[in-house]
Amino acid sequence: DGGITQSPKYLFRKEGQNVTLSCEQNLNHDAMYWYRQDPGQGLRLIYYSQIVNDFQKGDIAEGYSVSREKKESFPLTVTSAQKNPTAFYLCASTHTSGPRNSPLHFGNGTRLTVT
Amino acid sequence: GDSVTQMEGPVTLSEEAFLTINCTYTATGYPSLFWYVQYPGEGLQLLLKATKADDKGSNKGFEATYRKETTSFHLEKGSVQVSDSAVYFCALGPQAGTALIFGKGTTLSVSS
Repeated sequence: DGGITQSPKYLFRKEGQNVTLSCEQNLNHDAMYWYRQDPGQGLRLIYYSQIVNDFQKGDIAEGYSVSREKKESFPLTVTSAQKNPTAFYLCASTHTSGPRNSPLHFGNGTRLTVT
Repeated sequence: GDSVTQMEGPVTLSEEAFLTINCTYTATGYPSLFWYVQYPGEGLQLLLKATKADDKGSNKGFEATYRKETTSFHLEKGSVQVSDSAVYFCALGPQAGTALIFGKGTTLSVSS
């Protein structure tokens, strides 16, 4: 079955360390997204990519970086510059026509805890 | 800028009760509107959508009507089940945008 795989499900890091969250999809989607979910804050867009080798900042990109070297993969790095990195991170993808016209497919998320 | 406001939860109901979760939006142009649902421990999945004024989206007994005059997209279900317990997100697809804008989510808890 096609879908989005995020790994690991739980991730623990010490403050000051960079950490990379994996997101892989086999849906042949062009567009991929990273959202951060915090209690009472809903989903906030970190980065998105509509095509390989291109990506754009979302609303809260500071302290994060991404790459899109392959269509299937869109890893997110949480750097030590991110002031409050503990959160639930969700990856999503959709067709080129965009989320207005095609459903966003989400992974099951990675819960990152930084101490 | 464009934004979505939905009622704060949690919403606690008994099985077979009527559900309404309010959602209003601010947007330029003609956005598309969505409801996504998140079950415990999972990512979000699309529940229903509407792409123009007066459209009604429906799925699994849930309904929502795109009301441009009141800028609203309230989610309703006539008889909720325990299995409907989840977090519900209202979302907006801007006319000129490439990413959805989500509300803060409303937690629904249904007891038997």
